[in-house]
Amino acid sequence: QKEVEQDPGPLSVPEGAIVSLNCTYSNSAFQYFMWYRQYSRKGPELLMYTYSSGNKEDGRFTAQVDKSSKYISLFIRDSQPSDSATYLCAMSRTGNQFYFGTGTSLTVIP
Amino acid sequence: NAGVTQTPKFQVLKTGQSMTLQCAQDMNHNSMYWYRQDPGMGLRLIYYSASEGTTDKGEVPNGYNVSRLNKREFSLRLESAAPSQTSVYFCASPGQPGNGYTFGSGTRLTVV
Repeated sequence: QKEVEQDPGPLSVPEGAIVSLNCTYSNSAFQYFMWYRQYSRKGPELLMYTYSSGNKEDGRFTAQVDKSSKYISLFIRDSQPSDSATYLCAMSRTGNQFYFGTGTSLTVIP
Repeated sequence: NAGVTQTPKFQVLKTGQSMTLQCAQDMNHNSMYWYRQDPGMGLRLIYYSASEGTTDKGEVPNGYNVSRLNKREFSLRLESAAPSQTSVYFCASPGQPGNGYTFGSGTRLTVV
């Protein structure tokens, strides 16, 4: 069983839609949870970070962590064509070595 | 701009050839990592260096060697390239816990 599971998509939504991206994990010791965005032919860039359980909001983005279910989510409100990218979840026990999901490809159609 | 610099950006090798991928960071971070990214497999850790002078194997180290030359530089060497090593290679360096990794722009390697 992989440490982190992520639905690869692809996901295609109209502009303005709410997008929900999800990951599940198996290691209950994970306590650092991150979402990265990766544009085509670029390196991943950190989008959201959450420590332990709970929600975090940053503009149009909300990250949720449910440690009891070993499930994390990223919500994008009012999605824009510029949000079209691959989204990677990542998680860590120590905050240093991270385990990544395979990524979900998102396309927002104008 | 502060960050992680990788060279080269693209490379084509013949089976059996060797090459070294270079990575340098100017953020004064202790740790540096090498990942490979393949379709459907996500980012997989090859080797990492928690501090200058130390290196450790990750999930997929076979066929690779690394050198932590100093605090800034961490190189990845393919001694005898194989088609299975065709991939995009990323160097990354984490800051404080919670800051995540800063990634380089990647090296696209094709082994024919």
